[in-house]
Amino acid sequence: SAVISQKPSRDICQRGTSLTIQCQVDSQVTMMFWYRQQPGQSLTLIATANQGSEATYESGFVIDKFPISRPNLTFSTLTVSNMSPEDSSIYLCSVDVGATGDYGYTFGSGTRLTVV
Amino acid sequence: QKEVEQNSGPLSVPEGAIASLNCTYSDRGSQSFFWYRQYSGKSPELIMFIYSNGDKEDGRFTAQLNKASQYVSLLIRDSQPSDSATYLCAVIIAGGGADGLTFGKGTHLIIQP
Repeated sequence: SAVISQKPSRDICQRGTSLTIQCQVDSQVTMMFWYRQQPGQSLTLIATANQGSEATYESGFVIDKFPISRPNLTFSTLTVSNMSPEDSSIYLCSVDVGATGDYGYTFGSGTRLTVV
Repeated sequence: QKEVEQNSGPLSVPEGAIASLNCTYSDRGSQSFFWYRQYSGKSPELIMFIYSNGDKEDGRFTAQLNKASQYVSLLIRDSQPSDSATYLCAVIIAGGGADGLTFGKGTHLIIQP
């Protein structure tokens, strides 16, 4: 199965600043997914990143707040912009490494963000 | 609104017994269904997925899908203390965000030694 490296693993940031989270996969994948897990909550899909095109954002998430880059088939970044304490969450990237007809949605280890 | 519903628990089961976790979904267009296990402070781990009506078995785990009732469950046989975790149900909804997953809130399972 694929190995997903996500960094930073955690950070404490001042409100009004921005943080860029990196996700590196050890194999080429078409889609990369970014999720948010707020404290005590489940995962919510932020956006889907396809190499060579603009990311597709879910309802409630906008590009200005969560810009995403996808420069190649193994790497993506998510930026949390103009942060407020409400952005304190765990952010996770995910890829589907399943074979044809199979599914293997795997998650990175997550970035625990605290905004003060 | 497309929703995935789970009982948050905690669900307490004695060691060696069968743990039964349930999940309902609102969108009849949902195509594939996943169960993840998440330990505290860790990222979710895929246990198994199912997309056809009926049962699918993998070791001590059995997923059951009933699309007519919009219901999917996970059975854990011979429960072990190491199975204590939060179990997340997730679905792929047809026409959803390029095959991203929609998650339920999770069921906290406690296996009592």
